[in-house]
Amino acid sequence: QKEVEQDPGPLSVPEGAIVSLNCTYSNSAFQYFMWYRQYSRKGPELLMYTYSSGNKEDGRFTAQVDKSSKYISLFIRDSQPSDSATYLCAMSGASGYSTLTFGKGTMLLVSP
Amino acid sequence: DGGITQSPKYLFRKEGQNVTLSCEQNLNHDAMYWYRQDPGQGLRLIYYSQIVNDFQKGDIAEGYSVSREKKESFPLTVTSAQKNPTAFYLCASTPGTGGTEQFFGPGTRLTVL
Repeated sequence: QKEVEQDPGPLSVPEGAIVSLNCTYSNSAFQYFMWYRQYSRKGPELLMYTYSSGNKEDGRFTAQVDKSSKYISLFIRDSQPSDSATYLCAMSGASGYSTLTFGKGTMLLVSP
Repeated sequence: DGGITQSPKYLFRKEGQNVTLSCEQNLNHDAMYWYRQDPGQGLRLIYYSQIVNDFQKGDIAEGYSVSREKKESFPLTVTSAQKNPTAFYLCASTPGTGGTEQFFGPGTRLTVL
């Protein structure tokens, strides 16, 4: 079983839709959870950073962590064509010398 | 402007040659990382460094080497021992040594001819 599973997509939605992106993981030691957005041939951009379970909202983006189910989600409200990108989830253990484990990314396409 | 710079943006190499990819940050971050990204493979960790003059192997270190002589610089050398070097290489840094909240550079696309 891979440590982090993420559906590669592509996920195609019309402009204005609510988008749900998800990752599951197997390592119960993961404590920090991140979502990155990556445009084609660019470096990933950190979108959301959360610690432990719960929700975090930033504008049109909401990150949700359910540690009991080992499941994290990113919701995008009122999706825009400019949201078309690959979304990577990443997670790490407790602070110290942990490194990040990434999902393989989900490609999102928002059509006007 | 603070940030992470990588150069060059595109790099072409003949088989059997070593090449060095540059990564510089002016964020005063402690830790720096090198990843390789291939289509459908996600990001794989090559090397990382939490302090100057110290670094650790990641998951796919074979065929690569690094140095960390200055806090702001973490160059990656792709050696001729790396069997499949064509990939997109990403450098990242983080303010603490804990590996969370990594910030990425723009990447270098290496193609072996």
